[in-house]
Amino acid sequence: ETGVTQTPRHLVMGMTNKKSLKCEQHLGHNAMYWYKQSAKKPLELMFVYNFKEQTENNSVPSRFSPECPNSSHLFLHLHTLQPEDSALYLCASSQDVTNSGNTIYFGEGSWLTVV
Amino acid sequence: GEDVEQSLFLSVREGDSSVINCTYTDSSSTYLYWYKQEPGAGLQLLTYIFSNMDMKQDQRLTVLLNKKDKHLSLRIADTQTGDSAIYFCAGLHNTDKLIFGTGTRLQVFP
Repeated sequence: ETGVTQTPRHLVMGMTNKKSLKCEQHLGHNAMYWYKQSAKKPLELMFVYNFKEQTENNSVPSRFSPECPNSSHLFLHLHTLQPEDSALYLCASSQDVTNSGNTIYFGEGSWLTVV
Repeated sequence: GEDVEQSLFLSVREGDSSVINCTYTDSSSTYLYWYKQEPGAGLQLLTYIFSNMDMKQDQRLTVLLNKKDKHLSLRIADTQTGDSAIYFCAGLHNTDKLIFGTGTRLQVFP
C-alpha cells in the first residue's frame, strides 16, 4: 500500500470521450504531481500543485486539464485525446514542493489507452 | 536542460550481484533517487542519497555516488527473481523537480 491511490487503474477511451483520472493521497502531504510515462521515454512531469495551487504546467496540451480541489485530491480531466496520449499516468505527492530532500511518493498509475 | 541517462537493459543470474548505472548532467543535484517499477505497477521509492555522501547501504542495496564523474550506481546483492523490474534513476533539479532517466530493465534468470 503506497498511501497514494489512483483510479481507475485501466482506462480505454475514444478520441471524442471525456474522462477523468483521480488521485488521492493519505499521507498528509501538501504537494501533488501528475507524471506521464510513455514507452522508452523518460518520465515526464506534467503538473505540480502545492497547497492546491498549480505551480507548474510543463507545456502540457490543453486536452489535459488538472484539478486540485484540496491537498488530498488531484484529478486529471481528459478530453479529445490522441492515440499518442496512451501511456501510464502517475500521480505522486510530497510533503511540499520538492526541495532539500522531500521524498516523492507515487501511486500505482492509471494505464490509459486512447483508441 | 538536465539529462539523466541509463542503459536500457541488464540481465543477471539469480544469486549474482546486479549493478545499474546512471549518469546525470546537473552538478547541482542535491538528492539522487532510485525507484523500482514492477510490471503493471507504479513507481516505488527504493532509496536515495544526498549529494555530500559517497555511499549509502540499505540491506541488499548499495548506492555509490561519484560527483566528479556525475555517476550514480545501484548495486543489488544476491539478486532474486523478484528483483526483476525497471529501475529508474532520478535527480533533483533546481530544488523543484525530479528528472528521471529512461529506466533500466533488470531481468533475473535462474
